[in-house]
Amino acid sequence: EAGVAQSPRYKIIEKRQSVAFWCNPISGHATLYWYQQILGQGPKLLIQFQNNGVVDDSQLPKDRFSAERLKGVDSTLKIQPAKLEDSAVYLCASSYRGQPYNEQFFGPGTRLTVL
Amino acid sequence: GQQLNQSPQSMFIQEGEDVSMNCTSSSIFNTWLWYKQDPGEGPVLLIALYKAGELTSNGRLTAQFGITRKDSFLNISASIPSDVGIYFCAGLFSFGNEKLTFGTGTRLTIIP
Repeated sequence: EAGVAQSPRYKIIEKRQSVAFWCNPISGHATLYWYQQILGQGPKLLIQFQNNGVVDDSQLPKDRFSAERLKGVDSTLKIQPAKLEDSAVYLCASSYRGQPYNEQFFGPGTRLTVL
Repeated sequence: GQQLNQSPQSMFIQEGEDVSMNCTSSSIFNTWLWYKQDPGEGPVLLIALYKAGELTSNGRLTAQFGITRKDSFLNISASIPSDVGIYFCAGLFSFGNEKLTFGTGTRLTIIP
């Protein structure tokens, strides 16, 4: 079974530019998550989708970050405009409805460097 | 957002040694998870714990769900080179909204 796919793997941009990341979850996984992992820290949840609806975006900086999952499958995370502090690895994860909890499977991430 | 406190922050050990690390929280969790992250990869689940006091093993790994539900421990016995990486704990608040809170990580290095 194919895992969570993410692209690009690396991106270098200058501050105030825009950037977009793409994620394709594991087939059949209804829930999709975007995490931000700053160097030396654990992942922090940015947004969670259930099918194409947002479940939790309380930690998403909505003035510059946006995400969508229009058809309930793949998803795009956008940053516009980027700041230096946005340099991080952006991880996508997906999960199915299992017991006793919905295990999350992570993609390899996109490493963003903002200069 | 909250991050759980892990200690130690880093460990330098020789192959064959045993490893212990722990994770503490100011909040109670229903589930504790331990992940390993290799360079350039996403975290991979190692062990899941569902009940206070539970002790669970996965090969050379053993993890415990603390009685207070605010901490968890991970032990690795007889370390081997492929154990190198960053270990994260994560807590889960509820079974409905599966929101994970991750720890700060413990970086394990094996000295030749």
